[in-house]
Amino acid sequence: GAVVSQHPSRVICKSGTSVKIECRSLDFQATTMFWYRQFPKQSLMLMATSNEGSKATYEQGVEKDKFLINHASLTLSTLTVTSAHPEDSSFYICSARPGSSTDTQYFGPGTRLTVL
Amino acid sequence: AQTVTQSQPEMSVQEAETVTLSCTYDTSESNYYLFWYKQPPSRQMILVIRQEAYKQQNATENRFSVNFQKAAKSFSLKISDSQLGDTAMYFCAFRNGANSKLTFGKGITLSVRP
Repeated sequence: GAVVSQHPSRVICKSGTSVKIECRSLDFQATTMFWYRQFPKQSLMLMATSNEGSKATYEQGVEKDKFLINHASLTLSTLTVTSAHPEDSSFYICSARPGSSTDTQYFGPGTRLTVL
Repeated sequence: AQTVTQSQPEMSVQEAETVTLSCTYDTSESNYYLFWYKQPPSRQMILVIRQEAYKQQNATENRFSVNFQKAAKSFSLKISDSQLGDTAMYFCAFRNGANSKLTFGKGITLSVRP
């Protein structure tokens, strides 16, 4: 149980285009989902927290107009990187928390974004 | 703010041996949770073990166990009978009891030698 999927697993796009990444909880309802960014050999950096049906809460320094997050249902959250640039190239990971604040987060397999 | 420190960037261990990965944290909270996550080359984050701060007993999961020293704010992970599949980055993480957010350490790269 507690499986989280991400799609696509990798994407290559041209500079200036927008890219959407989906995060789904497959066997549980996720009231809260998290989006992280990870550079090679580095730790995970939390970008934002999204709660179903409400606006995402962004971490300091993360541009909310550039990284659009939508959590429209209890099993799906999306991250859209708008007007992507090469510096946005990174590994993006989502996680989902089933219900109460004591629940463990379960992570998706990640999406590698390369912006040319 | 909470901080998590993993001071060793890399470690290596012989297969079947035991290795301990260190982690310290800083918090003023009394109710919190500590985690060790494994990230193998596939980059899928896998929960290894979890410890509730209010529990005095150290958590164990098969070959993985922790040494939780609350007063010293230390949370080390012991891997017994190391296997080649244990080769991965390991992240120590903290979560405040009232907050969902995880704070991660910088991680440590563990290599298991055949």
